[in-house]
Amino acid sequence: AQSVTQLGSHVSVSEGALVLLRCNYSSSVPPYLFWYVQYPNQGLQLLLKYTSAATLVKGINGFEAEFKKSETSFHLTKPSAHMSDAAEYFCAVSYTGANSKLTFGKGITLSVRP
Amino acid sequence: KAGVTQTPRYLIKTRGQQVTLSCSPISGHRSVSWYQQTPGQGLQFLFEYFSETQRNKGNFPGRFSGRQFSNSRSEMNVSTLELGDSALYLCASSSNGQGGRSEQYFGPGTRLTVT
Repeated sequence: AQSVTQLGSHVSVSEGALVLLRCNYSSSVPPYLFWYVQYPNQGLQLLLKYTSAATLVKGINGFEAEFKKSETSFHLTKPSAHMSDAAEYFCAVSYTGANSKLTFGKGITLSVRP
Repeated sequence: KAGVTQTPRYLIKTRGQQVTLSCSPISGHRSVSWYQQTPGQGLQFLFEYFSETQRNKGNFPGRFSGRQFSNSRSEMNVSTLELGDSALYLCASSSNGQGGRSEQYFGPGTRLTVT
């Protein structure tokens, strides 16, 4: 079965520091990969997606992620953290085929220290 | 373009009751998916509807059901509520001509508390 693993449940960085949130997937077929962000008491907002075009994907709010097939990874990065980046981040995978089911990782809470 | 809307935003029910949640997708979107979010289990897929037909279903008991109307609005129903059904229920819509590669847009969720 396909799955997504997000290492660690909480990451804390200083404002201005690099943000690195890890995501590894397990899939027997080429996946589509997504990163979503969730702020308190809100739904999920799409940050970026990989759908088999460019392996380096740029998203909103300065985030980007690189698809590495050899490492089965899709880590999310941002060069300089901002206080407003504090939220929960979810990596998700879907597959080729007609349906749109997303399988999510457990999520990582990002804290940003002033 | 208006986003995905969900009503109600908050709901308190008693064990054994049933509940209906509503989701209005983005205009023009034909696919609606439902997810349950809990601290213990995270985000779990409930089901997906496309053009009024259930296209995919997650591993939830039959107490969880849904439907989609001709205007793409969707409802999900949970019968015989249990304490463990307390969760944030998220609805997502996509235009979905492209299956799994389609972007899904999420609503703010309905927070269900079962007492």
